[in-house]
Amino acid sequence: AQSVTQPDIHITVSEGASLELRCNYSYGATPYLFWYVQSPGQGLQLLLKYFSGDTLVQGIKGFEAEFKRSQSSFNLRKPSVHWSDAAEYFCAVGGTYKYIFGTGTRLKVLA
Amino acid sequence: NAGVTQTPKFRVLKTGQSMTLLCAQDMNHEYMYWYRQDPGMGLRLIHYSVGEGTTAKGEVPDGYNVSRLKKQNFLLGLESAAPSQTSVYFCASRSSPGPSYGTQYFGPGTRLLVL
Repeated sequence: AQSVTQPDIHITVSEGASLELRCNYSYGATPYLFWYVQSPGQGLQLLLKYFSGDTLVQGIKGFEAEFKRSQSSFNLRKPSVHWSDAAEYFCAVGGTYKYIFGTGTRLKVLA
Repeated sequence: NAGVTQTPKFRVLKTGQSMTLLCAQDMNHEYMYWYRQDPGMGLRLIHYSVGEGTTAKGEVPDGYNVSRLKKQNFLLGLESAAPSQTSVYFCASRSSPGPSYGTQYFGPGTRLLVL
């Protein structure tokens, strides 16, 4: 069955610290992989995506993610977190038509 | 260029009432989607459409109907609302093959409360 797992429901980091949000997926074929961010009361904004090619992808706001086929993972990273990064982050996997979203990781940033 | 818009932004219904949520996109996208978002459950696909006049069921279609009479619009209907349908509803669209193939663009959401 196709699925996306974000094992961390909440993560708290200090401003300026590094961040890694985990995402594991189960998918029958090579998937399209996405990370979205959602600020409170807002819609979802695309951070980055992986379709093919270089397994390390760069996104907006200084985020990057690495596709590791052997581990079925697509973890999101940022070297130095800013207070404005506090939000909920969703990993998603997609195929030809449909997408599956993870349950999200809520990030809290301490000043 | 408004992107994806949703109407209304917020609505309160009584159990058994009906309503229609409207999603409109001005990007000439072929594919459109309706999701619901509930705490701790992420986004779950209700219905989707791969072109004008087509619709298909997603993960949680029961209690909802959809129509795609025009390419730019995707309507989500609740015929008899239930408290379990209290949620935030998001519409999304994406292009068929093209430079941004596969990327979904989301609307701002509709918050629905069913009493």
